[in-house]
Amino acid sequence: GAVVSQHPSRVICKSGTSVKIECRSLDFQATTMFWYRQFPKKSLMLMATSNEGSKATYEQGVEKDKFLINHASLTLSTLTVTSAHPEDSSFYICSAIDGNTGELFFGEGSRLTVL
Amino acid sequence: DAKTTQPNSMESNEEEPVHLPCNHSTISGTDYIHWYRQLPSQGPEYVIHGLTSNVNNRMASLAIAEDRKSSTLILHRATLRDAAVYYCILREGGWFNFGNEKLTFGTGTRLTIIP
Repeated sequence: GAVVSQHPSRVICKSGTSVKIECRSLDFQATTMFWYRQFPKKSLMLMATSNEGSKATYEQGVEKDKFLINHASLTLSTLTVTSAHPEDSSFYICSAIDGNTGELFFGEGSRLTVL
Repeated sequence: DAKTTQPNSMESNEEEPVHLPCNHSTISGTDYIHWYRQLPSQGPEYVIHGLTSNVNNRMASLAIAEDRKSSTLILHRATLRDAAVYYCILREGGWFNFGNEKLTFGTGTRLTIIP
């Protein structure tokens, strides 16, 4: 079964609203989590690196006020898309590092559609 | 980040072996070669990784060139469930280098399995 779980798997929202996506490591402690977005037929693009208890590190070109990342515990990171617009519609994927083994696991992804 | 080059797409008949190539001519001595695959509307799934020696696991085999500038993922007997986008990625220090877990995804190879 999945060791990294994302919720919700699909979400539809109105333009201007904010949406929160959760990424949980189910049976390990994740000191580092990563958030990616993926457009149809395209590769994954890294948005930010999230470390437990500290501020996220954003990749160039990613608006940190637009995509709020919180890594409040060793098993949970959240991505909040604020004031969502149709161009934010995408597939968002998280990954997590097992702090003991170094193994990297990906979540199942969350599909956001902004109307 | 060291770059990888893969063919955009490949086709294979069901129940036949598949060889997916990857070029990484700028690989450094500490870069591990990782392969992930992504099924439609899902997060990437780990397939295999290696450093210098060929590797086998229950999913696939990884053949690494002697100069490490290329590698080949081998699916010994393709099934319809193997249809996916396959990504070849370099990761410095492999799983156990906690300072370099960030993965950069290229465009990958879209594998189509013909029944």
